[in-house]
Amino acid sequence: DTGVSQDPRHKITKRGQNVTFRCDPISEHNRLYWYRQTLGQGPEFLTYFQNEAQLEKSRLLSDRFSAERPKGSFSTLEIQRTEQGDSAMYLCASSLELPGHTIYFGEGSWLTVV
Amino acid sequence: GEDVEQSLFLSVREGDSSVINCTYTDSSSTYLYWYKQEPGAGLQLLTYIFSNMDMKQDQRLTVLLNKKDKHLSLRIADTQTGDSAIYFCAETSNTGKLIFGQGTTLQVKP
Repeated sequence: DTGVSQDPRHKITKRGQNVTFRCDPISEHNRLYWYRQTLGQGPEFLTYFQNEAQLEKSRLLSDRFSAERPKGSFSTLEIQRTEQGDSAMYLCASSLELPGHTIYFGEGSWLTVV
Repeated sequence: GEDVEQSLFLSVREGDSSVINCTYTDSSSTYLYWYKQEPGAGLQLLTYIFSNMDMKQDQRLTVLLNKKDKHLSLRIADTQTGDSAIYFCAETSNTGKLIFGQGTTLQVKP
């Protein structure tokens, strides 16, 4: 297993365009998380899935953001009508749903909105 | 509410010990974590501790937990230049997600 995989690693887009990030979790991990990290800050929770169900969403996840995990495996995070304030690193993580579960992170997808 | 605080910067000399401190607010957190982040990279899990433990040692890493004061520390023995990175403390919320501090930048001088 190669760990949590994210694609693309870097994305530059013009303001107003839509972008989509993909995350492939560690196989058999039924929990998948999305976080956002800006420079000089810690990661901020956006949302998480247990299998295909989206169980929790942060207030940070405005209506321009949507996340899906249709078959309980990979997940996508789409940002519509991007704004410069969306520039950040988007981190995906996965874990098993067990007591003492360890959450493993991918390398992140950098978004720059120009 | 859930909140995690860390000091922002620590500078040590190579070979010295580093101690990174963290305070958290959620007394119901069952696990507390330390992650390492190198420039431009994702988060690497270093270690974690159960809330019913006071100490955990893993090679050069020692985690101390004072549950009464909600204080967590990470000690790195014999710090190397390769340890230079940002270190994040994180607590688990009651729903299982991680709440991170703002990170401590560790600078190791040769």
